[in-house]
Amino acid sequence: QSALTQPPSASGSPGQSVTISCTGTSSDVGGYNYVSWYQQHPGKAPKLMIFEVSKRPSGVPDRFSGSKSGNTASLTVSGLQAEDEADYYCSSYGGSNKFGVFGSGTKVTVL
Amino acid sequence: QVQLVESGGGVVQPGRSLRLSCAASGFSFSSFGIHWVRQAPGKGLEWVSVISYDGNEKYYADSVKGRFIISRDNSKNTLYLQMNTLRAEDTAVYFCARDMGRLDFDLWGRGTLVTVSS
Repeated sequence: QSALTQPPSASGSPGQSVTISCTGTSSDVGGYNYVSWYQQHPGKAPKLMIFEVSKRPSGVPDRFSGSKSGNTASLTVSGLQAEDEADYYCSSYGGSNKFGVFGSGTKVTVL
Repeated sequence: QVQLVESGGGVVQPGRSLRLSCAASGFSFSSFGIHWVRQAPGKGLEWVSVISYDGNEKYYADSVKGRFIISRDNSKNTLYLQMNTLRAEDTAVYFCARDMGRLDFDLWGRGTLVTVSS
């Protein structure tokens, strides 16, 4: 199972927006509306930020939004705050043959 | 308290076996599919395996297929991962995670470290 492709890093100043891409194939990202995004701070377990492409779990700020076009999903963080500095991972369902795959991860830096 | 707690990690020689456990509390364990996800030191997340709520469906990543076995005991609210023929590349923190649907992991444990080394 090849990892989904994410940019290694992204950055923005406080208050700005940053968008992270997650590119897969028609067998995973493009084939199902089951893309999730996770935030991970150093030494901590990941936290679910977006599920089913664009849904936010209770408690996640509406500054976080998700979308998908074809084989590429995106996470946008608006109004960047210092606490948003973390690693972000996408994941996708890949059907019964592949089931689950994560992205390679993106380190977001708040300048 | 709603939580997942992993245990069983440690240092093991290549080729040997180890069994991880994930104890659930505070929610209806038997209603959820549960996954194992691992993270090698300084690396990204890797999906490992999933078991359905009733234990009837199991799936594995290619990297562990034929070596790892996932199971659960709903009477004990516990998930297991039997890891056989361990390799150096299996060295990682192993997390268990609750699935709301299709890889929507809304609850994670803190992880247990497995180190495969001679």
